[in-house]
Amino acid sequence: ETGVTQTPRHLVMGMTNKKSLKCEQHLGHNAMYWYKQSAKKPLELMFVYSLEERVENNSVPSRFSPECPNSSHLFLHLHTLQPEDSALYLCASSQDTRDGYTFGSGTRLTVV
Amino acid sequence: GESVGLHLPTLSVQEGDNSIINCAYSNSASDYFIWYKQESGKGPQFIIDIRSNMDKRQGQRVTVLLNKTVKHLSLQIAATQPGDSAVYFCAENDEGGKLIFGQGTELSVKP
Repeated sequence: ETGVTQTPRHLVMGMTNKKSLKCEQHLGHNAMYWYKQSAKKPLELMFVYSLEERVENNSVPSRFSPECPNSSHLFLHLHTLQPEDSALYLCASSQDTRDGYTFGSGTRLTVV
Repeated sequence: GESVGLHLPTLSVQEGDNSIINCAYSNSASDYFIWYKQESGKGPQFIIDIRSNMDKRQGQRVTVLLNKTVKHLSLQIAATQPGDSAVYFCAENDEGGKLIFGQGTELSVKP
């Protein structure tokens, strides 16, 4: 375990479903991130939260909605996704945005 | 534009040999670089990092070299083992604090 826990590990959802991905860290880090990892592509940064405030939103479609209720928890709410949204969604945290990141194991999302 | 790329998408080495994985970056303002290892079914795992005021840093069986003149980063793994088989990513932390990843190199270790 890295200290960053993601649930669920696997998720299959229909295009009309609403689901949420959860990320939890107890490393005392102040920044948390969502990345998307598709096959044969580099990791794509989606959202950055620093001290519970969103500081980065990389032109992500509105069908992805992040939430950071406190410095230890991060959610990614999903609704009306498309099959091309199928990917591994990785959460990471760091002490500061200028430090290295600790990643969770990811949620493997399949949209059918 | 900003980009971090790897020269080779795959690398196959014999067990016991040394491995060298290369990375090119384009943002000269980046001042912090990290190598990650990602095994199947897991998230990226930190291996070693280096800041721009250094040109070499050593860890346990791993060495990172930074050449700022040509904007090149490399990861050397000594005495490569089967457990080293994974995808290796370089990443740069730019002046905005974002971590930008390269495409990754898949390392295969032959017994």
